[in-house]
Amino acid sequence: NAGVTQTPKFRILKIGQSMTLQCTQDMNHNYMYWYRQDPGMGLKLIYYSVGAGITDKGEVPNGYNVSRSTTEDFPLRLELAAPSQTSVYFCASSYEGQAAAWPQHFGDGTRLSIL
Amino acid sequence: QKEVEQDPGPLSVPEGAIVSLNCTYSNSAFQYFMWYRQYSRKGPELLMYTYSSGNKEDGRFTAQVDKSSKYISLFIRDSQPSDSATYLCAMRPSLTNNLFFGTGTRLTVIP
Repeated sequence: NAGVTQTPKFRILKIGQSMTLQCTQDMNHNYMYWYRQDPGMGLKLIYYSVGAGITDKGEVPNGYNVSRSTTEDFPLRLELAAPSQTSVYFCASSYEGQAAAWPQHFGDGTRLSIL
Repeated sequence: QKEVEQDPGPLSVPEGAIVSLNCTYSNSAFQYFMWYRQYSRKGPELLMYTYSSGNKEDGRFTAQVDKSSKYISLFIRDSQPSDSATYLCAMRPSLTNNLFFGTGTRLTVIP
């Protein structure tokens, strides 16, 4: 079982560059999430999606964009990279339904440095 | 006040010890409670998942939820060096999918 797969694992960007962090899941989960994890700060929700074509902002969305064209994929885009976006980014997925709410499963993260 | 408070540690114990990890929270709407384990340079891995108050046991791990005190705990019995990791508590209300995380407690089990 692949679960949640994130690419790339590491990346160094220059200020002002753009890039897309990729996330795909093979569990047929309807919900997907992007978090960032900074030292001593815990995980903060950036964006989430409740299904293909539907996305919404989380706690820290500024400087990021997302799209969800398929159930499996949920890419995160940084348009103008800033040093404050240096972080570890985690993608997660879960199943939410009327009769059940299952916990989120995480990928292994993308370590991003902006210099 | 943060919605979820967790002592960051670090916590260092000898192999075989009982470990107690705790979180407190302020939002009485939280209904689902989780503990995740995160090894260095890896993503959080779900350990325990409980709904509302009570205890849940899974092998050497026991999760406790006391909603009246807004306090959750994770106990690890017969701790092993492989338990060395950061432990994150997380919780959410029933009507939203947004998780609120603690900052994590770093645990080291010394052989």
